[in-house]
Amino acid sequence: AQKVTQAQTEISVVEKEDVTLDCVYETRDTTYYLFWYKQPPSGELVFLIRRNSFDEQNEISGRYSWNFQKSTSSFNFTITASQVVDSAVYFCALSYSGAGSYQLTFGKGTKLSVIP
Amino acid sequence: ETGVTQTPRHLVMGMTNKKSLKCEQHLGHNAMYWYKQSAKKPLELMFVYSLEERVENNSVPSRFSPECPNSSHLFLHLHTLQPEDSALYLCASSQDRWTGELFFGEGSRLTVL
Repeated sequence: AQKVTQAQTEISVVEKEDVTLDCVYETRDTTYYLFWYKQPPSGELVFLIRRNSFDEQNEISGRYSWNFQKSTSSFNFTITASQVVDSAVYFCALSYSGAGSYQLTFGKGTKLSVIP
Repeated sequence: ETGVTQTPRHLVMGMTNKKSLKCEQHLGHNAMYWYKQSAKKPLELMFVYSLEERVENNSVPSRFSPECPNSSHLFLHLHTLQPEDSALYLCASSQDRWTGELFFGEGSRLTVL
């Protein structure tokens, strides 16, 4: 069965600090995708990244970076020089094949508060 | 027009009422989804539609009835709900049902009294 664990329920950092959000997953599939989504206070989840299970290269996009390690089943997300606008709930998710579609298993989310 | 629009944003209803949530996507996508987000629980997938055909129904009680009249519109009809159904209901769309890159609406916050 698929499972995504985000052990950090809430994190608070001061603006300009770096912060890492942890994500650990479990799956028996050999091919899968991992995702990160951001949910600001307005409610909609915003897609941040999708990573194929065969691609373990780290990815950097501006102040965001992702560290995928298959050996530890982790897909961690780091925000460098955090800003107040980064305050949101962040969800890690894992795809799996349902009966008629790919489905996502979401973690419970990590609420990040960036204090000015 | 934003990508995925949900109405109403907030809804309060009694247990005997009948109401509907509406979702519209302007992205030209072929798949649409309903998710339920309750406090302190992971997002739960409720239904998936692909080209107006329901392809997933994740053991959702019959008091929730989805409808997809075309690939741009998705409804969730609600009747005789329970207080534990109070949650944020999120609609999402994707290019097709085999991609996990979902585009979400802002959600409809439902309170059942």
